[in-house]
Amino acid sequence: DTEVTQTPKHLVMGMTNKKSLKCEQHMGHRAMYWYKQKAKKPPELMFVYSYEKLSINESVPSRFSPECPNSSLLNLHLHALQPEDSALYLCASSQPASGGSYEQYFGPGTRLTVT
Amino acid sequence: DQQVKQNSPSLSVQEGRISILNCDYTNSMFDYFLWYKKYPAEGPTFLISISSIKDKNEDGRFTVFLNKSAKHLSLHIVPSQPGDSAVYFCAASEDSNYQLIWGAGTKLIIKP
Repeated sequence: DTEVTQTPKHLVMGMTNKKSLKCEQHMGHRAMYWYKQKAKKPPELMFVYSYEKLSINESVPSRFSPECPNSSLLNLHLHALQPEDSALYLCASSQPASGGSYEQYFGPGTRLTVT
Repeated sequence: DQQVKQNSPSLSVQEGRISILNCDYTNSMFDYFLWYKKYPAEGPTFLISISSIKDKNEDGRFTVFLNKSAKHLSLHIVPSQPGDSAVYFCAASEDSNYQLIWGAGTKLIIKP
């Protein structure tokens, strides 16, 4: 089973709203990721959690707040977003990067529109 | 500076023929390479990977070749099928590093 699930599939929010994106995996992976993808571009890394601890924050604005409640779940809390934040938000998971393979398995994404 | 380059934005191939997608890299520290396939409005799907200690890896219709001296890898799909029409991304990583460095992608179109 290489499934990563994400909810919701689509989200429209105003610039003053607070919303959350959710991600879940049951592959026993101990690394989880948030990416942002704009049309016709490769995924852009936002955050990495390793063993439920924030490992990488790619200088993401504080209006994006990640949370890893346990090894299977990853949330992305959104607040006061800008229209330019509209994109496909992808969650991924993998084994920890420690000399093994580095395949990241992606969820279907949440299409976010900020109005 | 792009460390992973996919110089062909698009490629059109006849159904049943071989599709060859190319990828070049500049960082000699990369030791693991991956290919992903992406349909519009969906997450990337992992296809196949190769470690730098190998020069070939095969999985069904997909074969990846790695030429370390030329810093070049390629993905061969044979025979090509209509469902292979998608954007293909090449990605690379260094040992013990979570970050994947992505190419810009190549849009593959399989013609019936």
